[in-house]
Amino acid sequence: KAGVTQTPRYLIKTRGQQVTLSCSPISGHRSVSWYQQTPGQGLQFLFEYFSETQRNKGNFPGRFSGRQFSNSRSEMNVSTLELGDSALYLCASSRQGANTGELFFGEGSRLTVL
Amino acid sequence: AQTVTQSQPEMSVQEAETVTLSCTYDTSESDYYLFWYKQPPSRQMILVIRQEAYKQQNATENRFSVNFQKAAKSFSLKISDSQLGDAAMYFCAYRFSGAGSYQLTFGKGTKLSVIP
Repeated sequence: KAGVTQTPRYLIKTRGQQVTLSCSPISGHRSVSWYQQTPGQGLQFLFEYFSETQRNKGNFPGRFSGRQFSNSRSEMNVSTLELGDSALYLCASSRQGANTGELFFGEGSRLTVL
Repeated sequence: AQTVTQSQPEMSVQEAETVTLSCTYDTSESDYYLFWYKQPPSRQMILVIRQEAYKQQNATENRFSVNFQKAAKSFSLKISDSQLGDAAMYFCAYRFSGAGSYQLTFGKGTKLSVIP
């Protein structure tokens, strides 16, 4: 069974640009979450999607957005990039109905903003 | 708001020895889940062990066990017979069970080094 797949793995952008990151969850998983990981702030929750609907959102500015498609694949977009957006962006999927809601993580997309 | 605190940014252990990583959390809820996740240098986070708050018995998974003290809001991870492959960042995480969301609140992590 394939794990959570994130693309691209690495990318470099300049300030002001926008970026789109993609996440394919484990087959059968309908919940997808996104986290930002930085050395200073640690792991911070961005948003969570289930059945194409945003179920929860973290405390990030509106420049951060996401969506989920009917096949459960998810994308997140960051517009007008700032230096502080440099981070590892982690996607996680979960099987709805699992009591503990165990999250399965991808390897992440490393974004560098110059 | 829930918070998770890991007071040990870095720890080291001799191979084959035992080490305990600390975690405290703050919540007003009574029903929740606690997790320890491991993030090796390759970056993919994997679940090490989980604990349901309503269970008094401490969870164990092979060499990994927890000491869950609900009243003290403490959730420590004990790694026995440490192996080189245990070297990684370890994150303690909390999830409220009733929110209809799988959002996790993470601690800042503890970097564990294993000395051969």
